[in-house]
Amino acid sequence: QQQVKQSPQSLIVQKGGISIINCAYENTAFDYFPWYQQFPGKGPALLIAIRPDVSEKKEGRFTISFNKSAKQFSLHIMDSQPGDSATYFCAASHRAPNTGNQFYFGTGTSLTVIP
Amino acid sequence: KAGVTQTPRYLIKTRGQQVTLSCSPISGHRSVSWYQQTPGQGLQFLFEYFSETQRNKGNFPGRFSGRQFSNSRSEMNVSTLELGDSALYLCASSSDRDIMTGTEAFFGQGTRLTVV
Repeated sequence: QQQVKQSPQSLIVQKGGISIINCAYENTAFDYFPWYQQFPGKGPALLIAIRPDVSEKKEGRFTISFNKSAKQFSLHIMDSQPGDSATYFCAASHRAPNTGNQFYFGTGTSLTVIP
Repeated sequence: KAGVTQTPRYLIKTRGQQVTLSCSPISGHRSVSWYQQTPGQGLQFLFEYFSETQRNKGNFPGRFSGRQFSNSRSEMNVSTLELGDSALYLCASSSDRDIMTGTEAFFGQGTRLTVV
């Protein structure tokens, strides 16, 4: 069962446009929601992350919007650039004493930004 | 500060063989997790080690095992390789300072395993 559902599977955006990727989760114990960016041949790189006590976090052109009641969170990339073309993964995790830290990943969104 | 280092970067093995992959976490990080990435299944959690102990395990068969050494370096072993084990194996390290909330995980570049 997919614990984190991500959409869309692929996205094509014009340069300068806004890219929006959505994720939904079921487990209310999740308390950390990172987004990762992955280029071909590379490992995922942490882009931005949010905890459920805030509804929005912005870092440069990247913004996470978090809706706790709807159990949804999304990544907005403003002024999208060709260099943003990559695969984006949302993830969620929760911790409990002595049980470790396990991340559940969405299935990924392949973003293509057209010049 | 050096990042997460995985070796080797590429491996080609024959069905039935076994393989060992290595991961050196970021200096000071004691938590190491392993993930399998395939086009069809995405990123799937294998297991996590902390202070040489396996703390958490995903839903993979017993052919997949791992260990962690006192210097936090970790190895992952896959025995009796199957064609379906072909994947990118990723290692992630965390500082794990905050035990009650999720912590940042930093990934290595992965080991691309091809089973023929």
